[in-house]
Amino acid sequence: AQSVTQLDSQVPVFEEAPVELRCNYSSSVSVYLFWYVQYPNQGLQLLLKYLSGSTLVKGINGFEAEFNKSQTSFHLRKPSVHISDTAEYFCAVKANTGFQKLVFGTGTRLLVSP
Amino acid sequence: GAGVSQSPRYKVTKRGQDVALRCDPISGHVSLYWYRQALGQGPEFLTYFNYEAQQDKSGLPNDRFSAERPEGSISTLTIQRTEQRDSAMYRCASSSLEGERNNEQFFGPGTRLTVL
Repeated sequence: AQSVTQLDSQVPVFEEAPVELRCNYSSSVSVYLFWYVQYPNQGLQLLLKYLSGSTLVKGINGFEAEFNKSQTSFHLRKPSVHISDTAEYFCAVKANTGFQKLVFGTGTRLLVSP
Repeated sequence: GAGVSQSPRYKVTKRGQDVALRCDPISGHVSLYWYRQALGQGPEFLTYFNYEAQQDKSGLPNDRFSAERPEGSISTLTIQRTEQRDSAMYRCASSSLEGERNNEQFFGPGTRLTVL
C-alpha cells in the first residue's frame, strides 16, 4: 500500500516570495507522483506529474517539483508566488502497475498575502 | 469542451434518508472514479468504472454505499439510510483511458453532503 505525508497543513507566504510545499511518500513498489491544486468551489486540477525520466518536473503556473527516490520526496516549488496561487495543494501517489488507486495526502493550504 | 459536472452541488438531508449523487464525466471518457473527502483531509478512493463495468469497489465503506454507470457515461453514487458520519464532499473524476492505463484524472467540483 502507498501513503502520503504532507506535514505542513498551512503555509503563509508574502507575494513574490519563493515557496516550497513538502510531500513525502511511502511505497514498497515504484510509483507515479502527482500534485493537484484546489481553488475555492472548484474541482481538483492537475499541476504536474512524475511518471519516469527526468526527476525535475515542470507544471502549470510556474510550479515545479523534484522526485527524490532516496528521500522518498516530491516537494513542490515556485520561485515567486502570486496572490492567485492561494489555494489548497494535494500531493498524490499511485503504484505504477495495473490499476492502483490514487492516494492523496491531507493537503497544504498556501496563503499568499500582499 | 465541458468538464466533469456533478449534481447537486449541495445536498442537505436528514439521517435515515437515501441520497443519490450524480456525476456527468467528460464526453468520451472511459473511466470514472468516485472519491470522498472529509473536512481537512485529502480525497479517498471509493470505487471506479471502466465503461459500464465496476472494476473496483474496495473503497466503499459499507453496503449502504453503491454506485452504477449503466450506459458507460453518467454515474450515480447512492447512499442508503444516511448517517451523520456520511457528511463529506463527494468527488467524481474521469479519464480518457481505462483505469489500468490512465495517469491523469479530471475532477468535478464535488457534491457537499450534509446529514443532519
